[in-house]
Amino acid sequence: EDQVTQSPEALRLQEGESSSLNCSYTVSGLRGLFWYRQDPGKGPEFLFTLYSAGEEKEKERLKATLTKKESFLHITAPKPEDSATYLCAVQAYGGATNKLIFGTGTLLAVQP
Amino acid sequence: ETGVTQTPRHLVMGMTNKKSLKCEQHLGHNAMYWYKQSAKKPLELMFVYSLEERVENNSVPSRFSPECPNSSHLFLHLHTLQPEDSALYLCASSQDQKGANEKLFFGSGTQLSVL
Repeated sequence: EDQVTQSPEALRLQEGESSSLNCSYTVSGLRGLFWYRQDPGKGPEFLFTLYSAGEEKEKERLKATLTKKESFLHITAPKPEDSATYLCAVQAYGGATNKLIFGTGTLLAVQP
Repeated sequence: ETGVTQTPRHLVMGMTNKKSLKCEQHLGHNAMYWYKQSAKKPLELMFVYSLEERVENNSVPSRFSPECPNSSHLFLHLHTLQPEDSALYLCASSQDQKGANEKLFFGSGTQLSVL
């Protein structure tokens, strides 16, 4: 069964304290891995798509990496405005099209 | 107006009520989705419409009834719901490219409470 597990469940950082969020996945064949950010009271907002092991993508203080078993979202020198829930999702080959399997997310709090 | 708009933002209903959630996308996409988000649980796909045809019904109870009259509008009709149906209901859209699920654009959701 295709599955996505995110850790930690919650993370509290001081402003400027770099860290990483983890997304472990089990999937029959990976079509794509997606990272989203969700602010309270809003829907998820797309951040990155990764397609193959070794791929990396960056956006401001965020960098996403991918291996055959997991993805990391590295946050460098975070600011309070980076506080949000970060969601990981995978799309598998062979399954129903248009279907993303989401993890439960990591709630990130960055304190000034 | 741009993006994906959902109304209402909040809804409280009794178990015998009938209500509808509305979603409109202004992005020119050809696929629309309903997701359910409950606390401590992953987003759960409920329905997918591609080119206005339903292509996925993820074993959702019949008390939830979707309608997609055109590629820009999506409805979720609700009737005789249960308290466990209380959740955030999210609408999303994407440009479906032959099964490759490119990025989803989400609305802000409808927070539903069933009493």
